[in-house]
Amino acid sequence: ETGVTQSPTHLIKTRGQQVTLRCSSQSGHNTVSWYQQALGQGPQFIFQYYREEENGRGNFPPRFSGLQFPNYSSELNVNALELDDSALYLCASSSRDRENLLAGGNSYNEQFFGPGTRLTVL
Amino acid sequence: AQSVTQLDSQVPVFEEAPVELRCNYSSSVSVYLFWYVQYPNQGLQLLLKYLSGSTLVKGINGFEAEFNKSQTSFHLRKPSVHISDTAEYFCAVRLALSFYNQGGKLIFGQGTELSVKP
Repeated sequence: ETGVTQSPTHLIKTRGQQVTLRCSSQSGHNTVSWYQQALGQGPQFIFQYYREEENGRGNFPPRFSGLQFPNYSSELNVNALELDDSALYLCASSSRDRENLLAGGNSYNEQFFGPGTRLTVL
Repeated sequence: AQSVTQLDSQVPVFEEAPVELRCNYSSSVSVYLFWYVQYPNQGLQLLLKYLSGSTLVKGINGFEAEFNKSQTSFHLRKPSVHISDTAEYFCAVRLALSFYNQGGKLIFGQGTELSVKP
């Protein structure tokens, strides 16, 4: 079973540029969440994709956008980079049980994290 | 809104000593509680979780945590630490009815750096 992978591992950009980060979810998982972890801080939720649609978003501006593909891999795009965007970007994959959700019950599916992409904006 | 406070930013401890990392949370609705560990230059690994049932939960690497609803705490403990436990530890919460609330996002504390000295 392949775990969550992210690419690239490190990236250096300059202010104003655009960046795309990639995440391959764990086999059998259909949900991907993205988090930003600034230096010395806890991760902050950016957004989540479930079956190719955004399903929840944190307090991040629209220049943070994402995609999920039919194979459930995902991209995080950041436009007009700012210095404060420098951080470790983590993705996490999980698997939703659709039947439990439609029945209205609580559900829990563990999120498995990738190693992250370290983005430095100069 | 939910929030998580980790009361200690750094905890230095000697090898084989016991350790407690403190976590308090705030939420008006039911939450799930988690502890994650992050080793240098790595992603997050789940140590343990509380979903329901027994308030004492055991995790990997000899860690355990106790959920205290009246004190809204979820402190992490280990009776005897090893050098290899040196890492950053994060407490996190998630709404129990997560699918209908922002996609099940995890809300993390600021982290506690555990430093185990020989």
